[in-house]
Amino acid sequence: DIQITQSPSSLSASVGDRVTITCRASQSIGTYLNWYQQKPGKAPKVLISPTSNLQSGVPSRFSGSGSGTDFALTISSLQPEDSATYYCQQSYSTPWTFGQGTKVEI
Amino acid sequence: QVQLQESGPGLVKPSGTLSLTCGVSGDSINSINWWSWVRQPPGKGLEWIGEIYPGGTTNYNPSLKSRVTISADTSKNQLSLKLNSVTAADTAVYYCTRVAHALFDSWGPGTLVTVSS
Repeated sequence: DIQITQSPSSLSASVGDRVTITCRASQSIGTYLNWYQQKPGKAPKVLISPTSNLQSGVPSRFSGSGSGTDFALTISSLQPEDSATYYCQQSYSTPWTFGQGTKVEI
Repeated sequence: QVQLQESGPGLVKPSGTLSLTCGVSGDSINSINWWSWVRQPPGKGLEWIGEIYPGGTTNYNPSLKSRVTISADTSKNQLSLKLNSVTAADTAVYYCTRVAHALFDSWGPGTLVTVSS
């Protein structure tokens, strides 16, 4: 199985801050890495897939980068509605695996 | 736009079988996509359970493979999940999802299943 290590597990930042979340895969996964946002009591929602392609409707302040084993999700200017938990997920091989999540508080 | 809706008992006894269904609208489960189940224990992260492709091909998480069965009823356009020999560790919100190119692109709202006597 491909293990995904996500960090930090939580962070607190202010409106307008630049925030970066990282994911490291236990082996090279090319660019097969997706990002999700989950708000309390809701299902996850796709933000970026793969690696750097924003899904339709996702604000441009979100961006993704990386390849191989190291990936990052950056929020360039944090907004109040970005308070959520973010997960990465490798789409290279089954079993599909997720990072442990990063809770972003504002 | 595809919509998914999970349903089933919210309480299952230890050693029993967890059984859930997922109704799909806006897409056919006979389409080219995979259909999957993902779970999330309270306050914890996401765990992929398994998936099914039109025709019945399945993939399961090895950690659950011995206890899981995912099936599809094309006449009802719905998926099913069965997890047997459950313990408290199986208490979670269970989501059904559509999978396109290994991306979980559409999710149901989820249903909480508690394992308790």
